[in-house]
Amino acid sequence: KQEVTQIPAALSVPEGENLVLNCSFTDSAIYNLQWFRQDPGKGLTSLLLIQSSQREQTSGRLNASLDKSSGRSTLYIAASQPGDSATYLCAVNGNKLVFGAGTILRVKS
Amino acid sequence: ETGVTQTPRHLVMGMTNKKSLKCEQHLGHNAMYWYKQSAKKPLELMFVYNFKEQTENNSVPSRFSPECPNSSHLFLHLHTLQPEDSALYLCASSQDRGSDTQYFGPGTRLTVL
Repeated sequence: KQEVTQIPAALSVPEGENLVLNCSFTDSAIYNLQWFRQDPGKGLTSLLLIQSSQREQTSGRLNASLDKSSGRSTLYIAASQPGDSATYLCAVNGNKLVFGAGTILRVKS
Repeated sequence: ETGVTQTPRHLVMGMTNKKSLKCEQHLGHNAMYWYKQSAKKPLELMFVYNFKEQTENNSVPSRFSPECPNSSHLFLHLHTLQPEDSALYLCASSQDRGSDTQYFGPGTRLTVL
């Protein structure tokens, strides 16, 4: 059974700092891995999707990496802004999405 | 906007009520999903429909009854719920079942009194 763990559970940083969110999974037989953002009480917004054959994906200030053999992914956020404050969810797709519990990020101005 | 809409956005119901949640996708996708997000628990997959056929029921209690009349619409019928069923219910769709990107709706916040 696939299990997804996200570390840290919560993170508070000053504006402008670069930060890394971590995701680990137990079964490497996956199609892809997605990072989502969720604002309080809202649905999920897809940020980045990395196919199992890829090592990383970039979108603006976001960069996600994938090491399938070790079961790890990281989401790097450069020059963080208060608008980045949200919960970040990692989801692994091995024919269905299995989610981690998320990292609650707060960027202080 | 992701192209997936859900109504109502908020719902309060008693344990003896019957209500329905509605999801509609405008993306031409073939697969639709119901997820449950409880406080302090990861998102849990409930049901999967592919080309209107249910392909997965993740051991969901029978008080939750899904319905998919066509590839664009998905319902979740609720009856005799318990307070612990209070949660955010999210609908998603993807082009096909499996490896495709899923697009999520805004969710219905359900409170069971």
